[in-house]
Amino acid sequence: AQSVTQLGSHVSVSEGALVLLRCNYSSSVPPYLFWYVQYPNQGLQLLLKYTSAATLVKGINGFEAEFKKSETSFHLTKPSAHMSDAAEYFCAVSDRSGNEKLTFGTGTRLTIIP
Amino acid sequence: GAVVSQHPSRVICKSGTSVKIECRSLDFQATTMFWYRQFPKQSLMLMATSNEGSKATYEQGVEKDKFLINHASLTLSTLTVTSAHPEDSSFYICAWEGRLTGKYQETQYFGPGTRLLVL
Repeated sequence: AQSVTQLGSHVSVSEGALVLLRCNYSSSVPPYLFWYVQYPNQGLQLLLKYTSAATLVKGINGFEAEFKKSETSFHLTKPSAHMSDAAEYFCAVSDRSGNEKLTFGTGTRLTIIP
Repeated sequence: GAVVSQHPSRVICKSGTSVKIECRSLDFQATTMFWYRQFPKQSLMLMATSNEGSKATYEQGVEKDKFLINHASLTLSTLTVTSAHPEDSSFYICAWEGRLTGKYQETQYFGPGTRLLVL
């Protein structure tokens, strides 16, 4: 079984400040890891994914995440927050078993303070 | 990236009626598709998975006779909520995985979702 834990259901940062959204995973096999963003009343948009290539993954909108096996973490970061980054962010894991099921975390709502 | 559409985007229906939600991939040949539901302020919960040419596999606790899934083609899937009740009110989201421009994508591409309200 696999799972992800997102620490902090709500995160607030000032515009221009560092964004750090935490995600820890549990998987019995090397995982695929994903970050998705959801804007109000919209579906999910893929930000980035880790599939065993480089451990530092760069995504869209200036976001990046680093896979750290020793810490079982895949935290999402952005150096400078923009107002448009306000949204719900979901970390997800799949086990590469072939059925590609995604297991989502509970999400982190990011608020940007002007 | 892939473009996925869902129709309708919002639907309100009376209790006891059936509602059909369409999910189309516009530039993507989907070998596998997924239906999720999302309750307010909660994460996505997988309802079912279907592979092209085979019946859907439902997650534990999801009634297959209530939530009918038809993976009609590589670009169209429908979810029918039969005899809908107020507790079925939710945000339903489809996702595709398959081939984009010939290359297999190990990524799910999500539709914009359908908000269902059952009165």
